[in-house]
Amino acid sequence: GDSVTQMEGPVTLSEEAFLTINCTYTATGYPSLFWYVQYPGEGLQLLLKATKADDKGSNKGFEATYRKETTSFHLEKGSVQVSDSAVYFCALSDRMGYGGSQGNLIFGKGTKLSVKP
Amino acid sequence: DGGITQSPKYLFRKEGQNVTLSCEQNLNHDAMYWYRQDPGQGLRLIYYSQIVNDFQKGDIAEGYSVSREKKESFPLTVTSAQKNPTAFYLCASRPNGGNEQFFGPGTRLTVL
Repeated sequence: GDSVTQMEGPVTLSEEAFLTINCTYTATGYPSLFWYVQYPGEGLQLLLKATKADDKGSNKGFEATYRKETTSFHLEKGSVQVSDSAVYFCALSDRMGYGGSQGNLIFGKGTKLSVKP
Repeated sequence: DGGITQSPKYLFRKEGQNVTLSCEQNLNHDAMYWYRQDPGQGLRLIYYSQIVNDFQKGDIAEGYSVSREKKESFPLTVTSAQKNPTAFYLCASRPNGGNEQFFGPGTRLTVL
């Protein structure tokens, strides 16, 4: 079945460092890809998404490019801040109506990021 | 304000008691979802509903039940049959025609 694998954390960086969190996926259809962020004690917030190959999602300085050839959707940010400390989840969703999919999300296990001043 | 609300934020129950977690949305979304999150784990799907009066089991439905009598509401009951109910529970909804999901703030259930 479909699956998402993301790098294990925790990841600890100094403020203004470059961030990469790796995410690869396995899917039989043409999935949409997402990054969600979870701050302590809260629900998940959609950070960015990409719906087809070569799309780049971006938000709040974060970027990720949908690479079909490497089945990857790595999250990057050029200069992290203390306020970026959170858990980041990579997820995929089958495209609605393709192969009878229900549009459910499949999540990676999450990567905890800690940014120190 | 449009959004998804879950109540209560913290819930404590004695072992053997059923407990119902509330999820309400005013986004006019047809599809709603319940997930369970354990420390260091991703989210696991418990139940989902694509439309009123219809719902399907997810990956870990045993020990849980749901209802979908209204579009806005999708309550989850954690029954005494759930072996390890202590967890963080998240509700989500999906826009009609879209594939991203939007999440509520979660309910942390602790069974004593």
